[in-house]
Parts: sequence; structure tokens; C-alpha cells
Amino acid sequence: AQSVAQPEDQVNVAEGNPLTVKCTYSVSGNPYLFWYVQYPNRGLQFLLKYITGDNLVKGSYGFEAEFNKSQTSFHLKKPSALVSDSALYFCAAHKTGFQKLVFGTGTRLLVSP
Amino acid sequence: EAGVVQSPRYKIIEKKQPVAFWCNPISGHNTLYWYLQNLGQGPELLIRYENEEAVDDSQLPKDRFSAERLKGVDSTLKIQPAELGDSAVYLCASSLNSRGGEKLFFGSGTQLSVL
Repeated sequence: AQSVAQPEDQVNVAEGNPLTVKCTYSVSGNPYLFWYVQYPNRGLQFLLKYITGDNLVKGSYGFEAEFNKSQTSFHLKKPSALVSDSALYFCAAHKTGFQKLVFGTGTRLLVSP
Repeated sequence: EAGVVQSPRYKIIEKKQPVAFWCNPISGHNTLYWYLQNLGQGPELLIRYENEEAVDDSQLPKDRFSAERLKGVDSTLKIQPAELGDSAVYLCASSLNSRGGEKLFFGSGTQLSVL
């Protein structure tokens, strides 16, 4: 069965510092990986995805994520955090040819001024 | 372009009462999803539609939950009767199709409280 793990319930970072939100997955075959962000009282918004190709993918709002097959990880990163990045971040995955997204439990990012 | 529209935004009902949620997906999106999001958890798929056909409803508790997508556009999710444990956020999402890697567009959700 597919699963996604986000080991940190919350990540705290100061504005201007780099941030990393961790994600590991368990998907048979080649995974399709996603990051979504959820702001308060809003639906989830797509940030970026990995399907194939370059292991470093770039997405919205300056975010990027690195696919590491050997570590089955897909960590979300940003070089310089903004207070407005504070939100709930979800990692998600599905296996090739099977569009059934499995989400992690989410990581709350808190960026302090 | 309008996003995925859901209503109502909030719903408070007593247990054993029926409740219905409505979703209007993005125009032209063939695939529609209903997800359940419990507090502190990620969304879990309840049902997926390809046009008007339910192609994955394995996670839908069919004894009390039902859904329809008439004419392959709007969709309604119903619970009858509601139980205390149904309190959660119900999210609707749509995508162009269900080919691998398609990004989903989510509505703001309906927050259900069952008293």
C-alpha cells in the first residue's frame, strides 16, 4: 500500500533563513510526488510536482523540492523564508498510472519575523 | 477563471440528521474528487468521478454516504444519517483528467460539525 510520511508536525524558521520540510514515501514502482499548501480557511493549492527527469523541481512562490530515490524522500525547500510562507504543507504521492493521491499528515510551517 | 466552488462553507447539524454538500468543479475538468480531511490529518479520498461515472468509491462508507455527479459537472455528496464521527472538512477537487501527474484544484471545503 502507498504511504507518505511527514515526520515533523511543525517547523519553525526565522524570516530570511532557508527552510526544509521533510517528506518520505512508500510507493511501488516509480512515484509521482507532489507538494500542496493550505492557508487558513482555504483549500489546498498545488506547489510543485515530480514525475520524471531532473531530481530538483521548482515550483510556485520560490519553493523547490529534491527527489531522492535511494532515500525515498521528496523534501520541500526554500532558500529564504517569508512570514507569508506560514501555512500547512502536505506531501502527496501516487504510483505510475494510478491517479489515487495519498497525502501525508501535514507539516505546519511557522516563519517568525 | 473561477476555481472549484463548494457550498455550504460551514454546516452544523444534530446526529442522525441528513446533510448534503455541493461542488462545482472548474469548467472543462473531467475528473472530480471528494476528500475527507479530519483534524490534524491529510485528505483521504472518498470517491473519484470520471465525467459522470464513479470509478473509485472504495473508501466511501456506502451504508450512509452517497454521491452523484449528474451530467458530469456538479456533484453532491450526502450523508444520511450523520454520526458524531463524521465531523470533518469535506473537500472537493477537480482535474483535467486522471492521467498520472495531473495537479488537483481544491475548493475551500465544507466544515461539518455533528452535535
